[in-house]
Amino acid sequence: EPEVTQTPSHQVTQMGQEVILRCVPISNHLYFYWYRQILGQKVEFLVSFYNNEISEKSEIFDDQFSVERPDGSNFTLKIRSTKLEDSAMYFCASRLGLAPGETQYFGPGTRLLVL
Amino acid sequence: SQKIEQNSEALNIQEGKTATLTCNYTNYSPAYLQWYRQDPGRGPVFLLLIRENEKEKRKERLKVTFDTTLKQSLFHITASQPADSATYLCALAGDTGRRALTFGSGTRLQVQP
Repeated sequence: EPEVTQTPSHQVTQMGQEVILRCVPISNHLYFYWYRQILGQKVEFLVSFYNNEISEKSEIFDDQFSVERPDGSNFTLKIRSTKLEDSAMYFCASRLGLAPGETQYFGPGTRLLVL
Repeated sequence: SQKIEQNSEALNIQEGKTATLTCNYTNYSPAYLQWYRQDPGRGPVFLLLIRENEKEKRKERLKVTFDTTLKQSLFHITASQPADSATYLCALAGDTGRRALTFGSGTRLQVQP
């Protein structure tokens, strides 16, 4: 069964450094998402992406964040200058279309630790 | 403001019993509601979706109800097994139409053998 993959599984970085989290969505899916989950807290929406542009973003997704689909398969989340509070699990998700019955499929996540 | 609440942080039951988890929401008019399972350190896995015009949905040992008047969904696992132990998340698609999911905080279910 096709699945969303994410790399790396774990990333440790120093505060102020840039990180890029990578995702390979399911191949025929059109809608892509990033969510994050701070330890012990809810899964929170960051950004959605369709047709090579951001569809919607949450208040969390400020100027430090950017997303890109650099080629036909990868979908990346960049954090320009990491802060301690960016430490979290980051989940990529993809979805075939926007019909109400369609599911978002989540990747296994990247655990980011900012020191 | 919009809120999704899952009333129990944790639920412990004996194997073979039925687990019932609750999800309440306010200031939403969702077209549908979803339930996900999340194991520690893993991404959410989709279980069931129920539409606003459906009262009940079943899939194997899982049953979901949706009451748009009460603004509540109940999620049942019958004949529970230790392998059902996980965190269960309720999620709504934002009613702005962007279809990103807003998750509840989850209920951690522990099924004792």
